[in-house]
Amino acid sequence: DTAVSQTPKYLVTQMGNDKSIKCEQNLGHDTMYWYKQDSKKFLKIMFSYNNKELIINETVPNRFSPKSPDKAHLNLHINSLELGDSAVYFCASSQSGLAATYNEQFFGPGTRLTVL
Amino acid sequence: GQQLNQSPQSMFIQEGEDVSMNCTSSSIFNTWLWYKQDPGEGPVLLIALYKAGELTSNGRLTAQFGITRKDSFLNISASIPSDVGIYFCAGRKAGGTSYGKLTFGQGTILTVHP
Repeated sequence: DTAVSQTPKYLVTQMGNDKSIKCEQNLGHDTMYWYKQDSKKFLKIMFSYNNKELIINETVPNRFSPKSPDKAHLNLHINSLELGDSAVYFCASSQSGLAATYNEQFFGPGTRLTVL
Repeated sequence: GQQLNQSPQSMFIQEGEDVSMNCTSSSIFNTWLWYKQDPGEGPVLLIALYKAGELTSNGRLTAQFGITRKDSFLNISASIPSDVGIYFCAGRKAGGTSYGKLTFGQGTILTVHP
């Protein structure tokens, strides 16, 4: 199936650990994103990569490091996890373009991260 | 940072009723989007609006891009139980450093009673 997929779906870990979340899209898109959804359901963009180049980097702690090995993958590595990192993390992808009606963002199913 | 004010925060309605929610901003957006999120899933795009004043329908859903480009609304007619979920508005500005960046509203939690 064509989609944006994320692994793992759930991630429970201890404070101070390092963990990674993987994202893959087979939609042929050239832009990928990471969003964080907090306990109040507020969605906020963290990073965006276009053709493996970082184009959006919101005020995210440098413990978060995205890595894009190719256009179809954007992984998120988190060092020294803190309690406040507990959230649902969504990956998304889209196809860039100058036309107003370029493809919009397709979201993955999310990864629920719980830091104990 | 930039935020969109979405209201209402939650709605409890009877099946068959119409629903209306809106989103406002203090600044101009060139694109307005409406997404729905089901429990345990990612947001799914419902309607995209690209021109001020544009009115677009998708089945029982209708959305409009405000003429000031600072607001948008979403209407759902004749609600059904599967309309339950969280509805998000999102805005995007054109070009520059905000390329591709979406700013989301706080969401409207919709509950439909059979």
